[in-house]
Amino acid sequence: SQTIHQWPATLVQPVGSPLSLECTVEGTSNPNLYWYRQAAGRGLQLLFYSVGIGQISSEVPQNLSASRPQDRQFILSSKKLLLSDSGFYLCACSSGTGSFHMNTEAFFGQGTRLTVV
Amino acid sequence: LAKTTQPISMDSYEGQEVNITCSHNNIATNDYITWYQQFPSQGPRFIIQGYKTKVTNEVASLFIPADRKSSTLSLPRVSLSDTAVYYCLVAPAENTGFQKLVFGTGTRLLVSP
Repeated sequence: SQTIHQWPATLVQPVGSPLSLECTVEGTSNPNLYWYRQAAGRGLQLLFYSVGIGQISSEVPQNLSASRPQDRQFILSSKKLLLSDSGFYLCACSSGTGSFHMNTEAFFGQGTRLTVV
Repeated sequence: LAKTTQPISMDSYEGQEVNITCSHNNIATNDYITWYQQFPSQGPRFIIQGYKTKVTNEVASLFIPADRKSSTLSLPRVSLSDTAVYYCLVAPAENTGFQKLVFGTGTRLLVSP
């Protein structure tokens, strides 16, 4: 099964500083990749998804961007962080090669808790 | 994508059976229903998935009526460690195209002694 590596686990950054969160996937090729954000006590908000290298779709307008330079690497970035960017960021993948009549499960990383101060 | 509606929270006691219902009135023919569990400060993890009727695994059962407009996750004899947020997700089978995984707000289950 797939394994998601996400780092760092926690991060405290000042307002206006840049951000780079990296996610790598093992155990599958050509995965679908996702970035989610979760505010305290809230549900998961889909930020970006990618079906292949260089293919990024954004779900909501925001201060963040995403890139997929390699098949199993997904990066979340910001040039200048805002206080509202604080939250719990999760990277996820699904195999992208599900068999007919099936919907494969999504695997999540352990998350990065970002606090912008 | 079919929108899902779940209760915001539920309370239970150890040893009881818990049933969490999710409404998805606009579910499409090729949509599957998947449930995830999330503990605090962790990513969600897959619990169970189904298309119709009943599915059972070592963790839970999933009941889906014939019209598929709702589904019920059943957790038998819950323990304190089942306290978590449970998400119902509806998405098409992968062979029909990219499945954008959109999570709702989930149901926060609190199990007490």
